[in-house]
Amino acid sequence: AQTVTQSQPEMSVQEAETVTLSCTYDTSESNYYLFWYKQPPSRQMILVIRQEAYKQQNATENRFSVNFQKAAKSFSLKISDSQLGDTAMYFCAFRDTNAGKSTFGDGTTLTVKP
Amino acid sequence: EAGVAQSPRYKIIEKRQSVAFWCNPISGHATLYWYQQILGQGPKLLIQFQNNGVVDDSQLPKDRFSAERLKGVDSTLKIQPAKLEDSAVYLCASSMGPSLYEQYFGPGTRLTVT
Repeated sequence: AQTVTQSQPEMSVQEAETVTLSCTYDTSESNYYLFWYKQPPSRQMILVIRQEAYKQQNATENRFSVNFQKAAKSFSLKISDSQLGDTAMYFCAFRDTNAGKSTFGDGTTLTVKP
Repeated sequence: EAGVAQSPRYKIIEKRQSVAFWCNPISGHATLYWYQQILGQGPKLLIQFQNNGVVDDSQLPKDRFSAERLKGVDSTLKIQPAKLEDSAVYLCASSMGPSLYEQYFGPGTRLTVT
């Protein structure tokens, strides 16, 4: 069974600065997908960024980028130029390539301060 | 495009009572997921449907939880009888398919068991 660990329950960052959220996972599979989701207060969960394990190049989406270290089983999220609207809970998720079963971490609450 | 709809949004019941949740996925989405999100934790997959067939229900407490997906579209999740530890947000999500496809989440149903 896969496990996902987010070791930072809470983080804060000043507006316009950069912050990195950590995620590690454990799996015996060689191919899989990794995701970061954002869950704003009282709002629906939305996808931030995804990474396919067979791709060496790190995924980027505007101000969001990942540092994927397959050997270390690490998948961190970097948010550049943080905005107040980035305040939310962030979940790291692992998904297998067969049935597509997802395993989520317990989340990191990020607060962006003005 | 309409998103994933869930009802009710909130439900309060006493232990040993029954409750049912409803989910209407995005039109054309073949894969439907039910997650349980306990306060302070990440979503835990309860059951995954592909069309109207069950792909994974390994974490569904089958002695009290049941789910069905009618004609491969709408889905209902039932708890009978409820326990105090069932208090959580129940999230429904859908995607065009498993694996790399983005999951779209509904607003969730917050269940409180007293």
